[in-house]
Amino acid sequence: KQEVTQIPAALSVPEGENLVLNCSFTDSAIYNLQWFRQDPGKGLTSLLLIQSSQREQTSGRLNASLDKSSGRSTLYIAASQPGDSATYLCAAEPYTGGFKTIFGAGTRLFVKA
Amino acid sequence: DVKVTQSSRYLVKRTGEKVFLECVQDMDHENMFWYRQDPGLGLRLIYFSYDVKMKEKGDIPEGYSVSREKKERFSLILESASTNQTSMYLCASTTGNQPQHFGDGTRLSIL
Repeated sequence: KQEVTQIPAALSVPEGENLVLNCSFTDSAIYNLQWFRQDPGKGLTSLLLIQSSQREQTSGRLNASLDKSSGRSTLYIAASQPGDSATYLCAAEPYTGGFKTIFGAGTRLFVKA
Repeated sequence: DVKVTQSSRYLVKRTGEKVFLECVQDMDHENMFWYRQDPGLGLRLIYFSYDVKMKEKGDIPEGYSVSREKKERFSLILESASTNQTSMYLCASTTGNQPQHFGDGTRLSIL
Protein backbone atom coordinates (compact mmCIF):
# COMPACT_ATOMS: atom_id res chain seq x y z
CA LYS A 1 0.00 0.00 0.00
CA GLN A 2 1.29 3.41 -0.97
CA GLU A 3 2.68 5.54 1.84
CA VAL A 4 3.75 9.16 1.49
CA THR A 5 6.12 10.69 4.02
CA GLN A 6 7.21 14.29 4.40
CA ILE A 7 10.25 15.36 6.34
CA PRO A 8 10.66 17.59 8.24
CA ALA A 9 7.27 18.03 9.86
CA ALA A 10 8.08 21.68 10.53
CA LEU A 11 10.68 24.14 9.31
CA SER A 12 11.55 27.71 10.26
CA VAL A 13 13.81 29.81 8.02
CA PRO A 14 14.76 33.48 7.71
CA GLU A 15 13.33 35.51 4.86
CA GLY A 16 15.30 35.27 1.62
CA GLU A 17 16.61 31.76 2.17
CA ASN A 18 16.28 29.10 -0.51
CA LEU A 19 14.78 25.91 0.86
CA VAL A 20 13.86 22.36 -0.07
CA LEU A 21 10.92 20.34 1.16
CA ASN A 22 11.11 16.57 0.84
CA CYS A 23 8.52 13.97 -0.01
CA SER A 24 9.05 10.22 -0.30
CA PHE A 25 6.67 7.53 -1.50
CA THR A 26 6.92 3.76 -1.25
CA ASP A 27 5.32 2.64 -4.53
CA SER A 28 6.86 4.04 -7.72
CA ALA A 29 3.81 3.12 -9.82
CA ILE A 30 2.31 6.57 -9.65
CA TYR A 31 0.24 8.44 -12.20
CA ASN A 32 1.33 11.84 -10.94
CA LEU A 33 2.78 13.64 -7.94
CA GLN A 34 1.24 16.87 -6.70
CA TRP A 35 2.29 19.60 -4.31
CA PHE A 36 -0.32 21.62 -2.45
CA ARG A 37 -0.27 24.57 -0.10
CA GLN A 38 -2.63 24.87 2.85
CA ASP A 39 -3.10 28.05 4.87
CA PRO A 40 -4.46 27.75 8.44
CA GLY A 41 -8.14 26.86 8.51
CA LYS A 42 -8.35 26.69 4.73
CA GLY A 43 -8.53 24.09 2.01
CA LEU A 44 -5.67 23.02 -0.23
CA THR A 45 -4.40 25.01 -3.20
CA SER A 46 -2.63 23.15 -5.98
CA LEU A 47 0.91 24.43 -6.63
CA LEU A 48 2.46 21.98 -9.07
CA LEU A 49 1.52 18.69 -10.68
CA ILE A 50 4.19 16.41 -12.16
CA GLN A 51 3.08 13.67 -14.50
CA SER A 52 4.83 10.32 -14.13
CA SER A 53 6.64 10.86 -17.44
CA GLN A 54 8.04 14.24 -16.33
CA ARG A 55 11.04 15.04 -14.15
CA GLU A 56 10.13 18.50 -12.93
CA GLN A 57 7.70 21.40 -13.07
CA THR A 58 8.27 25.08 -12.37
CA SER A 59 5.99 27.93 -11.40
CA GLY A 60 7.55 31.25 -10.44
CA ARG A 61 9.81 30.73 -7.43
CA LEU A 62 8.71 27.11 -7.07
CA ASN A 63 10.31 24.09 -8.66
CA ALA A 64 9.22 20.52 -8.03
CA SER A 65 11.20 17.48 -9.10
CA LEU A 66 10.24 13.83 -9.34
CA ASP A 67 12.48 10.78 -9.18
CA LYS A 68 10.27 7.72 -9.37
CA SER A 69 13.14 5.23 -9.17
CA SER A 70 14.14 6.50 -5.73
CA GLY A 71 10.57 7.29 -4.65
CA ARG A 72 11.31 10.96 -4.01
CA SER A 73 10.01 14.38 -4.87
CA THR A 74 11.33 17.74 -3.74
CA LEU A 75 9.78 21.19 -3.70
CA TYR A 76 12.33 23.96 -4.03
CA ILE A 77 11.30 27.46 -2.93
CA ALA A 78 13.63 30.25 -3.99
CA ALA A 79 14.07 33.49 -2.04
CA SER A 80 11.48 32.63 0.58
CA GLN A 81 9.07 35.32 1.81
CA PRO A 82 6.88 35.57 4.93
CA GLY A 83 3.88 35.04 2.67
CA ASP A 84 5.20 31.56 1.89
CA SER A 85 4.43 30.53 5.48
CA ALA A 86 1.93 27.67 5.23
CA THR A 87 1.74 23.90 5.31
CA TYR A 88 2.94 22.16 2.16
CA LEU A 89 1.56 18.75 1.27
CA CYS A 90 2.60 16.31 -1.39
CA ALA A 91 0.26 13.73 -2.82
CA ALA A 92 0.79 10.67 -5.02
CA GLU A 93 -1.93 9.40 -7.33
CA PRO A 94 -1.47 5.70 -8.05
CA TYR A 95 -1.98 4.03 -11.42
CA THR A 96 -4.26 1.53 -9.78
CA GLY A 97 -7.09 2.28 -7.39
CA GLY A 98 -8.86 4.91 -9.43
CA PHE A 99 -8.66 8.33 -7.81
CA LYS A 100 -7.30 7.23 -4.47
CA THR A 101 -4.65 9.90 -4.09
CA ILE A 102 -2.44 9.40 -1.05
CA PHE A 103 -1.41 12.54 0.85
CA GLY A 104 1.54 13.15 3.11
CA ALA A 105 0.99 14.74 6.50
CA GLY A 106 2.67 17.95 5.35
CA THR A 107 5.58 20.21 6.26
CA ARG A 108 4.68 23.34 8.21
CA LEU A 109 6.87 26.19 6.97
CA PHE A 110 7.44 29.45 8.84
CA VAL A 111 9.42 32.19 7.11
CA LYS A 112 10.65 34.84 9.54
CA ALA A 113 10.75 38.47 8.43
CA ASP B 1 -11.52 30.00 -11.57
CA VAL B 2 -12.98 26.81 -10.18
CA LYS B 3 -15.00 27.33 -7.05
CA VAL B 4 -15.78 24.56 -4.61
CA THR B 5 -18.17 25.69 -1.91
CA GLN B 6 -18.80 23.85 1.32
CA SER B 7 -22.02 24.80 3.04
CA SER B 8 -20.62 25.36 6.54
CA ARG B 9 -17.21 26.46 7.85
CA TYR B 10 -17.97 25.34 11.40
CA LEU B 11 -20.54 22.88 12.68
CA VAL B 12 -21.30 21.53 16.15
CA LYS B 13 -23.50 18.45 16.51
CA ARG B 14 -24.33 15.91 19.19
CA THR B 15 -23.55 12.21 19.23
CA GLY B 16 -26.18 10.13 17.51
CA GLU B 17 -27.36 12.94 15.24
CA LYS B 18 -27.54 12.49 11.47
CA VAL B 19 -25.25 15.10 9.93
CA PHE B 20 -25.22 16.38 6.36
CA LEU B 21 -22.22 18.14 4.82
CA GLU B 22 -22.82 19.73 1.45
CA CYS B 23 -20.39 20.55 -1.34
CA VAL B 24 -21.06 22.33 -4.62
CA GLN B 25 -18.67 22.93 -7.53
CA ASP B 26 -19.27 25.27 -10.45
CA MET B 27 -17.01 23.83 -13.18
CA ASP B 28 -18.95 20.80 -14.38
CA HIS B 29 -16.32 18.43 -12.97
CA GLU B 30 -17.27 14.77 -13.13
CA ASN B 31 -15.12 13.71 -10.16
CA MET B 32 -15.78 14.78 -6.59
CA PHE B 33 -14.20 13.71 -3.30
CA TRP B 34 -14.68 13.86 0.44
CA TYR B 35 -11.66 13.76 2.75
CA ARG B 36 -11.11 14.17 6.43
CA GLN B 37 -7.98 15.77 7.79
CA ASP B 38 -6.62 15.07 11.24
CA PRO B 39 -3.39 16.35 12.83
CA GLY B 40 -0.42 14.17 11.94
CA LEU B 41 -2.48 11.90 9.67
CA GLY B 42 -2.77 14.01 6.54
CA LEU B 43 -5.84 13.74 4.34
CA ARG B 44 -7.71 10.48 4.17
CA LEU B 45 -10.24 9.71 1.45
CA ILE B 46 -13.72 8.85 2.68
CA TYR B 47 -15.63 8.53 -0.61
CA PHE B 48 -15.37 9.72 -4.17
CA SER B 49 -17.79 9.95 -7.06
CA TYR B 50 -16.93 9.84 -10.76
CA ASP B 51 -20.43 10.56 -12.09
CA VAL B 52 -23.95 11.31 -10.98
CA LYS B 53 -25.28 8.54 -8.73
CA MET B 54 -21.90 6.77 -8.88
CA LYS B 55 -19.72 6.40 -5.81
CA GLU B 56 -16.68 4.49 -4.63
CA LYS B 57 -15.43 3.86 -1.12
CA GLY B 58 -12.18 5.44 -0.12
CA ASP B 59 -9.91 4.34 2.69
CA ILE B 60 -12.18 5.16 5.65
CA PRO B 61 -15.86 4.89 4.60
CA GLU B 62 -17.13 3.35 7.83
CA GLY B 63 -19.80 5.49 9.49
CA TYR B 64 -20.28 7.64 6.39
CA SER B 65 -22.43 7.61 3.28
CA VAL B 66 -22.63 9.94 0.28
CA SER B 67 -25.16 11.17 -2.21
CA ARG B 68 -24.68 12.61 -5.69
CA GLU B 69 -28.01 13.33 -7.32
CA LYS B 70 -26.71 16.23 -9.43
CA LYS B 71 -23.34 16.65 -11.07
CA GLU B 72 -22.43 19.81 -9.17
CA ARG B 73 -23.39 18.60 -5.68
CA PHE B 74 -21.80 15.92 -3.50
CA SER B 75 -23.12 15.34 0.00
CA LEU B 76 -21.45 13.54 2.88
CA ILE B 77 -23.72 11.99 5.49
CA LEU B 78 -22.77 10.89 8.98
CA GLU B 79 -25.48 8.37 9.74
CA SER B 80 -25.10 8.52 13.53
CA ALA B 81 -22.41 10.98 14.55
CA SER B 82 -19.78 9.88 17.04
CA THR B 83 -17.06 11.83 18.82
CA ASN B 84 -14.33 10.15 16.76
CA GLN B 85 -15.79 11.84 13.70
CA THR B 86 -14.76 15.24 15.02
CA SER B 87 -12.47 16.49 12.27
CA MET B 88 -11.88 18.87 9.39
CA TYR B 89 -13.79 17.71 6.31
CA LEU B 90 -12.60 18.76 2.87
CA CYS B 91 -14.42 18.44 -0.43
CA ALA B 92 -12.62 18.49 -3.79
CA SER B 93 -13.43 18.19 -7.46
CA THR B 94 -11.50 17.55 -10.64
CA THR B 95 -11.75 16.54 -14.26
CA GLY B 96 -9.42 14.49 -16.41
CA ASN B 97 -5.81 14.77 -15.28
CA GLN B 98 -6.21 18.17 -13.67
CA PRO B 99 -5.27 18.95 -10.05
CA GLN B 100 -7.98 18.61 -7.48
CA HIS B 101 -9.68 21.86 -6.44
CA PHE B 102 -10.58 22.06 -2.77
CA GLY B 103 -13.21 23.88 -0.76
CA ASP B 104 -12.29 25.75 2.43
CA GLY B 105 -13.36 22.86 4.63
CA THR B 106 -15.91 22.25 7.36
CA ARG B 107 -14.62 21.95 10.91
CA LEU B 108 -17.04 19.54 12.54
CA SER B 109 -17.25 19.00 16.29
CA ILE B 110 -19.30 16.16 17.71
CA LEU B 111 -20.12 16.61 21.39
